[in-house]
Amino acid sequence: SYVLTQPPSVSVAPGQTASIICGGHNIGGKSVHWYHQKPGQAPVLLIYYDSDRPSGIPERFSGSNSGDTATLTISRVEAGDEADYYCQVWHSTTSDHQVVFGGGTKLTVL
Amino acid sequence: QVQLVESGGGVVQPGRSLRLSCAASGFSFSSYVMHWVRQSPGKGLEWVAGIWHDGSQKYQGDSVKGRFTVSRDNSENTLYLQMSSLRAEDTAVYSCARAGRPYEPAVGMDVWGQGTTVIVS
Repeated sequence: SYVLTQPPSVSVAPGQTASIICGGHNIGGKSVHWYHQKPGQAPVLLIYYDSDRPSGIPERFSGSNSGDTATLTISRVEAGDEADYYCQVWHSTTSDHQVVFGGGTKLTVL
Repeated sequence: QVQLVESGGGVVQPGRSLRLSCAASGFSFSSYVMHWVRQSPGKGLEWVAGIWHDGSQKYQGDSVKGRFTVSRDNSENTLYLQMSSLRAEDTAVYSCARAGRPYEPAVGMDVWGQGTTVIVS
């Protein structure tokens, strides 16, 4: 099965830029989606198809995907961005389809 | 407004069965691929199952294959998850989620329910 690897934690000071990576074999050949989840709340879709933002998501959130690494970049980090972040792909084989989530990254705003 | 509301969770003994429901409203349910995702206490998101907009195709995660079955009733705007042979490790909050574009299974999930808790003990 396909595996997505994320760092368990990332720390950043307010106003700085945070980068959260998501590693997977040739992930650049797949479409990556990103979510954040705050305690007690449902996940929120931040980025879909590598770099598109749903309506209502600030431009501070951006995504890229190439080779074996996809990256979520959060510019001008705010205290309210503190949350768990998950990457996700749709993995297809000749006989099966699966949704795969990364293990999640806890973003701490210092 | 667009909404997903899960129900059917509870405490169940190992080896028993349980059926979860997800009531959809505010959108054309029959046009969207739907998913079940679970989250064990203190853990990350785990995809459980997905079903095509018309129910013609269904897929499950490796950890639930052969035990859980996803289905839908488009006339009732409801998604189901039939869980059997439950194990302690199935304890989690189970949420339903909508794929973000009609008829597209591979797009991100843009609408989520608040979840229903299943405890296997």
